[in-house]
Amino acid sequence: GAGVSQSPSNKVTEKGKDVELRCDPISGHTALYWYRQSLGQGLEFLIYFQGNSAPDKSGLPSDRFSAERTGGSVSTLTIQRTQQEDSAVYLCASSLGMGQETQYFGPGTRLLVL
Amino acid sequence: AQSVSQHNHHVILSEAASLELGCNYSYGGTVNLFWYVQYPGQHLQLLLKYFSGDPLVKGIKGFEAEFIKSKFSFNLRKPSVQWSDTAEYFCAVNEGNAGNMLTFGGGTRLMVKP
Repeated sequence: GAGVSQSPSNKVTEKGKDVELRCDPISGHTALYWYRQSLGQGLEFLIYFQGNSAPDKSGLPSDRFSAERTGGSVSTLTIQRTQQEDSAVYLCASSLGMGQETQYFGPGTRLLVL
Repeated sequence: AQSVSQHNHHVILSEAASLELGCNYSYGGTVNLFWYVQYPGQHLQLLLKYFSGDPLVKGIKGFEAEFIKSKFSFNLRKPSVQWSDTAEYFCAVNEGNAGNMLTFGGGTRLMVKP
């Protein structure tokens, strides 16, 4: 079946602009995660959605970052007033949401803030 | 907070050499352990995982890893590497009784010379 998909694959923006990154999880997966992969910080957790529960936002680096998940499926990560240090690859993953399990990763969105 | 350490940042081997990549984590409770691989230009893929049971786990492409609880370690091994194993390898941990977000190590870049 189809894996996790993300769009766009690449995004170049100017400092101060807002960006939206999209993630389509694997069908039937109730858990969805956002991570960031950057040169200086490696792979970092950002936010986690599980079903209809309130998301775990403990990894978001600032209040410029937010995410939502509509209808328990597609998720959008929004970065407001982008800064150069936001340049990174933003990865989405999904899993069944039933406990011990594997997270399946999408190809990522490579964001470059000029 | 949970932390994961991968001691080797870059490894260069010749084909047929044996491989061992170190991974240590800091959490003292129940953990789930993973190794992911990222081939050039591709997204993160699961190599193997440990949840419980036999501490020696076998994954895809001839890889295996051993969970040693007393050493907080989950080292990855392969007896004979191939050029196609050139990739970046990430160890990841989540706490068994907490949210399912993964904490990643810094990654090890493996280059296998033909």
